[in-house]
Formats: sequence, structure tokens, C-alpha cells
Amino acid sequence: ILNVEQSPQSLHVQEGDSTNFTCSFPSSNFYALHWYRWETAKSPEALFVMTLNGDEKKKGRISATLNTKEGYSYLYIKGSQPEDSATYLCAFRNALNFGKGTSLLVTP
Amino acid sequence: EAGVTQFPSHSVIEKGQTVTLRCDPISGHDNLYWYRRVMGKEIKFLLHFVKESKQDESGMPNNRFLAERTGGTYSTLKVQPAELEDSGVYFCASSQVGFRVNEQYFGPGTRLTVT
Repeated sequence: ILNVEQSPQSLHVQEGDSTNFTCSFPSSNFYALHWYRWETAKSPEALFVMTLNGDEKKKGRISATLNTKEGYSYLYIKGSQPEDSATYLCAFRNALNFGKGTSLLVTP
Repeated sequence: EAGVTQFPSHSVIEKGQTVTLRCDPISGHDNLYWYRRVMGKEIKFLLHFVKESKQDESGMPNNRFLAERTGGTYSTLKVQPAELEDSGVYFCASSQVGFRVNEQYFGPGTRLTVT
């Protein structure tokens, strides 16, 4: 079992704030790092699949970076909106190892 | 295009009973995965099918859990007999190609409560 750590566990920001959270994973035998967004009562939705060291991906106001050598990925949200409220999960090697997630609450 | 569907959405059973969960993947997706999330913990991988074959079942907790995917379409996950610690949300996901890298599409989950 490979440990995937996410921090912080939860985050509460005001609308318009930018925020970021971290996913840490073992740097050996890297295949891919996935970010998912999981809204309450819905199913996890894939945000990014990251495979190369130095990868930076962007989808609207959300972006992610990857450092495979040191074993971390950052997820950034620029100008947070209430609809961004969700749990953000990262998964190492796609399926085998999920982090516990960062629960984000954005209040107006 | 229909997404991954799961049935039932919620099941409440007594300890010792049997429950069968069903997952219908996105049409054309050969890869099908089962996961479980126990309250307060992370999502855990259970197993992976490629078509009708079990590619990886390393996450199955014990022999009370049996997954099948006859014909390579929908899959069932049977828990027999159910124990209290089996309570949680069971997710199914599917992907078109590959395993390690490809995006997976998740179903809405089945919330299982064992009393």
C-alpha cells in the first residue's frame, strides 16, 4: 500500500479568494497522478491526468502542477466561487491509491 | 451518452444477509472498476475487470465479496454474508482504454448500510 497524503484536510475560503492544496505521493515507480472533484451526493469527476514531471494543466480557473521527483502535486483554484465547493481527491497510479481528499468550502 | 449507472442507490440490510450491487459501465468501456469508501476514510480500490476477466482483485477485502462481469458488460458485486464493517459507499467506474493513465468515469455509488 502506497500512502497518498493530501493537505489540508479541509479549507474554508471566501468567494473570490484563490487557494491551493497539496497531494504528496511516493516518487518511485510513478505512472500517473489524477485529480478528481467530488461534490456531495454526486460521483467523483475527473479533472486532470498528469504523467510528466513539470506537467501543468489548466481547466478554467483550476490548474495543477506535478513534481514527480519530489512526489507532490498542487491544485490551484483562482478566484474561488461557491460552486467550487467540493472534495478534491488525488489518486496515485490512478486506481490503487487515493488520498483522503481536501474538502473545500467557498462562502459568498 | 449515458454515464456509469449503479443500482440500487441505497441498500439497508441486516448483518448476515446477502446484497448484490450492480454497475452498468459506459457503453464500449472495456475497463470496469469497483471501489469502496468507508465513512471518514479514503476511497479504496477493490478490483478491476477488463471485459469479463478480472485483471486485478488485490483490493477485495475477503472471500465474502464476489464480483462478476459475465459477458463483459454490466458487473455485480455480491456481499455474502454482510458484516457491519461492510457499510460504506460502493463506487463503480469505467474507462475506455488502459488502467494506469486513462480517465475513469465514476457512477453515483451505492450506499450500503449493514445493521
